[in-house]
Amino acid sequence: DGGITQSPKYLFRKEGQNVTLSCEQNLNHDAMYWYRQDPGQGLRLIYYSQIVNDFQKGDIAEGYSVSREKKESFPLTVTSAQKNPTAFYLCASKEVRNQPQHFGDGTRLSIL
Amino acid sequence: ELKVEQNPLFLSMQEGKNYTIYCNYSTTSDRLYWYRQDPGKSLESLFVLLSNGAVKQEGRLMASLDTKARLSTLHITAAVHDLSATYFCAVGFLNYGGSQGNLIFGKGTKLSVKP
Repeated sequence: DGGITQSPKYLFRKEGQNVTLSCEQNLNHDAMYWYRQDPGQGLRLIYYSQIVNDFQKGDIAEGYSVSREKKESFPLTVTSAQKNPTAFYLCASKEVRNQPQHFGDGTRLSIL
Repeated sequence: ELKVEQNPLFLSMQEGKNYTIYCNYSTTSDRLYWYRQDPGKSLESLFVLLSNGAVKQEGRLMASLDTKARLSTLHITAAVHDLSATYFCAVGFLNYGGSQGNLIFGKGTKLSVKP
């Protein structure tokens, strides 16, 4: 079954720690995205990648970093510079321009 | 500024009633999507609207797009409890996000259908 797998489902970060959220897709999609969702809010774009070895900042990239070394993988690192990391993080991918984005099940990040 | 506004943000309905959710956007768009999200879950694609006058229907939900008014509607007919969820519209704006085109999401409409 094709889909997007995010792990872990729940993650806790200590003060000053970097944490990495995993996103893997087997849909053979070129474009991948990371969003942040806060309670009662829509999704806000953190980073996106349209092709392997290339990625661009979204609207709220500060305090985050990504890599895209393989087509199927787009991990997101939440660095210690992100002062308010508590949120629900969603990864998505898309095949071509007009197709809808497909979403993973999300990772809920909290601060210890 | 690129903006997507949904209203209402909260909607409490009785089963069997009809209602409409509105999605307004700020400037020219070539794509509009509706998604559903259950609590604590991922987003599920409902409709893709690509042209003026486009209408899509699935069960008790019908979505339409008026590009001249920069407005999409999601109409709910004879609501049932299973439709309780948060509904998001997402708009792809020309010249936002390169060749693939990124989306800007509305804040979502939390729908609660009561018996």
